[in-house]
Amino acid sequence: AQSVTQLDSHVSVSEGTPVLLRCNYSSSYSPSLFWYVQHPNKGLQLLLKYTSAATLVKGINGFEAEFKKSETSFHLTKPSAHMSDAAEYFCVVSPHSGGSNYKLTFGKGTLLTVNP
Amino acid sequence: GAGVSQSPSNKVTEKGKDVELRCDPISGHTALYWYRQSLGQGLEFLIYFQGNSAPDKSGLPSDRFSAERTGGSVSTLTIQRTQQEDSAVYLCASSLEAGGGYEQYFGPGTRLTVT
Repeated sequence: AQSVTQLDSHVSVSEGTPVLLRCNYSSSYSPSLFWYVQHPNKGLQLLLKYTSAATLVKGINGFEAEFKKSETSFHLTKPSAHMSDAAEYFCVVSPHSGGSNYKLTFGKGTLLTVNP
Repeated sequence: GAGVSQSPSNKVTEKGKDVELRCDPISGHTALYWYRQSLGQGLEFLIYFQGNSAPDKSGLPSDRFSAERTGGSVSTLTIQRTQQEDSAVYLCASSLEAGGGYEQYFGPGTRLTVT
């Protein structure tokens, strides 16, 4: 079984300040972890993924996330927020291997607001 | 290149009617997935296709829901006798192969409203 908890449903930051979106996971298997972003009326876009290689993962648009097994966390960060970062962000887990390794389990999402 | 496309983008239907939602995956992608995004439940897995076969239908919420995939390409999700609780955004995704290392590419979704 696997699950994801996004600790904040809404995060508000000022443009140019750091972003931190928090995610904790639970998985019976060694997990693959992802962050997806959804802009209004747009499809989901993959920001970055962890699949058992380097624990610090760099993604698109300056985002990165660190896999911490001891804390079962995969928090998403960005040093400096841009107005275009305003969107909903989903933390996602799937088993890295095994019969259900295609099945994505999504968190409830964190809405990021960026203030000018 | 072309991404995953879905049609229609919006569908309003009366309770009790049947609806069909279409997904065109990225060419060459063998795996196809349907998800549902609703306010109360978030994003939920519905069904997975490998080629034309559906090894995992575990997420379909009731027997009113069915899906098929033909020619290893286009997929149709059918909801019979729609209910108001079926109102949601239905998302389709495809990946080159199935598995945790392969990115799932999502379409823009079909917003279904049952009145």
